[in-house]
Amino acid sequence: GAVVSQHPSRVICKSGTSVKIECRSLDFQATTMFWYRQFPKQSLMLMATSNEGSKATYEQGVEKDKFLINHASLTLSTLTVTSAHPEDSSFYICSAKWTSGDTQYFGPGTRLTVL
Amino acid sequence: GENVEQHPSTLSVQEGDSAVIKCTYSDSASNYFPWYKQELGKGPQLIIDIRSNVGEKKDQRIAVTLNKTAKHFSLHITETQPEDSAVYFCAASIAAGNKLTFGGGTRVLVKP
Repeated sequence: GAVVSQHPSRVICKSGTSVKIECRSLDFQATTMFWYRQFPKQSLMLMATSNEGSKATYEQGVEKDKFLINHASLTLSTLTVTSAHPEDSSFYICSAKWTSGDTQYFGPGTRLTVL
Repeated sequence: GENVEQHPSTLSVQEGDSAVIKCTYSDSASNYFPWYKQELGKGPQLIIDIRSNVGEKKDQRIAVTLNKTAKHFSLHITETQPEDSAVYFCAASIAAGNKLTFGGGTRVLVKP
């Protein structure tokens, strides 16, 4: 149980384009989903917390207009990187939890490369 | 906010030996402490967690200990195997907020 998927697993795009990443909880209802960013050989940095049906809460320093998060259902959250630039290239990972639990279950990650 | 420090950053052990990773946290209100294993190119996988009302928890070859007074917790892996080679992250959170703060990670290499 507690499986989280991400799509796509890998994406390459041109500078200036937008990229959407999906995060799905496959076998449970995720009232809260989290989006992280991870640079090579570094730890996970929380970008934002999203609760189903409400606006995401962004961490300090994360541009909400650049990283659009939508959590429209209990099993799906999306992260859209708008007008991507090479410095946005990174490994993006989502996690999900249900209401009464502490545990976050992570997706497999999405490798974004912006040329 | 919460700050989690993790040591060592790299750890090389011989197969069959034990590995210990230590973390300290700053916020005494933190009450949930998970450990994640991350293999190259994959997302973190929860391997064990502990809550502040428990001092120790064990699951087969993996154990975690928590010292609330000193604000530190440790991961112990016994009888290490090559497949234990990965990056391990500790984390801490306050249940009400649910945000995890991660340590810097420990790269573990188990040599056959």
